[in-house]
Amino acid sequence: GQNIDQPTEMTATEGAIVQINCTYQTSGFNGLFWYQQHAGEAPTFLSYNVLDGLEEKGRFSSFLSRSKGYSYLLLKELQMKDSASYLCAVAGQAGTALIFGKGTTLSVSS
Amino acid sequence: EADIYQTPRYLVIGTGKKITLECSQTMGHDKMYWYQQDPGMELHLIHYSYGVNSTEKGDLSSESTVSRIRTEHFPLTLESARPSHTSQYLCASRWQIGEAFFGQGTRLTVV
Repeated sequence: GQNIDQPTEMTATEGAIVQINCTYQTSGFNGLFWYQQHAGEAPTFLSYNVLDGLEEKGRFSSFLSRSKGYSYLLLKELQMKDSASYLCAVAGQAGTALIFGKGTTLSVSS
Repeated sequence: EADIYQTPRYLVIGTGKKITLECSQTMGHDKMYWYQQDPGMELHLIHYSYGVNSTEKGDLSSESTVSRIRTEHFPLTLESARPSHTSQYLCASRWQIGEAFFGQGTRLTVV
């Protein structure tokens, strides 16, 4: 089976940096994904890691360690519009589906 | 830009009615998924497909059924809607590797 854990809630202030952690247990591994979801909207894709290391995309970076079953999403220069739920998702071995964690609700205050 | 479409966006329907939620994608993706999500809650996988004539149930028990007769089309059907089916239903698709693209969702209310 698959299990994905991430913190339920986090708070931060504008301009700060925040790191959202995700740990996972899967049978097989075919990639880890981060999505952003604003209330009432569909998730939008942020990043994809399949190899160990850091992937950077503008203000967002994602890190993966497959041996530790661990990933984090790093958000820099936080803005109010970054207040949203951040979802960690894992694709397991071929033949299994894309499974999402419960999401981390990030609140950014001024 | 993702080309995956869900209809209707909003639906209010009476108990006992049969409904079909439509999902279509024009990207030629093999893998398609249906998720159910209540407000402020997590995404639950209810059905998925790896290609034509392939469907599997997800982790969340669901009274819905799906079909995959064409690559681009993955409809979800509720034979007899109940108030407990009130939720948002999200469809997604992807290649063998890479990210999943989501439709805008169908917000279903059963009265």
